[in-house]
Amino acid sequence: EVQLVQSGAEVKKPGESLKISCKASGYTFTSWWIGWVRQMPGKGLEWMGIIYPGDSETRYSPSFQGQVTISADKSTDTAYLQWSSLKASDTAIYYCARWWPPLRYFDYWGQGTLVTVSS
Amino acid sequence: DVVVTQSPLSLPVTLGQPASISCRSSQSLVYSDGNTYLNWFQQRPGQSPRRLIYKVSNRDAGVPDRFSGSGSGTDFTLKISRVEAEDVGFYYCLQGSHWPYTFGQGTKLEIK
Repeated sequence: EVQLVQSGAEVKKPGESLKISCKASGYTFTSWWIGWVRQMPGKGLEWMGIIYPGDSETRYSPSFQGQVTISADKSTDTAYLQWSSLKASDTAIYYCARWWPPLRYFDYWGQGTLVTVSS
Repeated sequence: DVVVTQSPLSLPVTLGQPASISCRSSQSLVYSDGNTYLNWFQQRPGQSPRRLIYKVSNRDAGVPDRFSGSGSGTDFTLKISRVEAEDVGFYYCLQGSHWPYTFGQGTKLEIK
């Protein structure tokens, strides 16, 4: 059974760094893209970017390029989303999801990680 | 960027009645390979999004047949033939034909 299990909620201050995780199981991690989707409070879904763990090729939506870093660790079947300097506007739920290129479709989703940035 | 506009943004429906959600794109979503990458997701209250329909009209495994997708070019529709209580939540379309890929703003379906 495919599962994506995300790390727990985080409360951070502006300017702090953060790395959240998404652990995959039930499939060959290096053979599928994984993406990240943002949902700001009371708002819709935003496509952030994807990574292919097999070779770490990464694609960012222009809105998120330079704002976050997506990475993956093949040894632990885990994808990451990180910030070097958080802003209050980064407060959101972040979902990881497996991306299926032939269908341009997220087929499995994690449970979401709530990130709260407040002074 | 391709702008994807959903309507209505709020959809009150009586149980057992049909519902229809529109998704319109600012450019044709027919990709160079002939496919149209327009997908639909459901997000129930307090849950992660869930896949529903891919490439306009293909219902995913386990999705009830009361859900159907249709459309072409720039105009697409998600229909629920008879709304049930478990259908409450938000519905999003996602276009995967033009980079950067973009979601619609979402439609909230509620029971009247």
